[in-house]
Amino acid sequence: EAGVAQSPRYKIIEKRQSVAFWCNPISGHATLYWYQQILGQGPKLLIQFQNNGVVDDSQLPKDRFSAERLKGVDSTLKIQPAKLEDSAVYLCASSFGGDTQYFGPGTRLTVL
Amino acid sequence: AQSVTQPDIHITVSEGASLELRCNYSYGATPYLFWYVQSPGQGLQLLLKYFSGDTLVQGIKGFEAEFKRSQSSFNLRKPSVHWSDAAEYFCAVGPLGGGYNKLIFGAGTRLAVHP
Repeated sequence: EAGVAQSPRYKIIEKRQSVAFWCNPISGHATLYWYQQILGQGPKLLIQFQNNGVVDDSQLPKDRFSAERLKGVDSTLKIQPAKLEDSAVYLCASSFGGDTQYFGPGTRLTVL
Repeated sequence: AQSVTQPDIHITVSEGASLELRCNYSYGATPYLFWYVQSPGQGLQLLLKYFSGDTLVQGIKGFEAEFKRSQSSFNLRKPSVHWSDAAEYFCAVGPLGGGYNKLIFGAGTRLAVHP
């Protein structure tokens, strides 16, 4: 069974630029999560989808971050404009039925 | 407030020695509990999980963890550490039941293994 796929693996941008990350969950997993992992910290949930609907986006900085999952399968997370403090690893995870989450390899973002 | 505390930021052990990584949680109800491992440049891999039943759970790679409700702890153990176990370990807690499992992670414990 293929795991959670993410791209790109690495991205370097200047502050105030925009960036987008892509995630393809495990086939059949209805729940998809985006986490932000700042160096030295545990992952923090940004947004959670159930199929193509948002379940929880309480910790998503909505003035600059947006996410969508239009067809209930893959998802994109966008940052516009990026700030220095957005430098982090962005992890995507998926689950079947909302219990055990399976994580992708992550995208490491560096904002200069 | 819901939280997870991993008191040890960094631990170093010798190869072949036993290991215990501590995890304490604060949660308003009976939680789901997880341990994940993250190798450099990789995503998180599930080691084991506790939902209910036997409080001693077995996971992959020879790891086990014990849920102690009275101490609000879920410590991870391994009797003999291998050099390949060097990684960062995260404890996480989530709500029991329901369809949408929001996990709260600890800050992680980085494990180094001496040959």
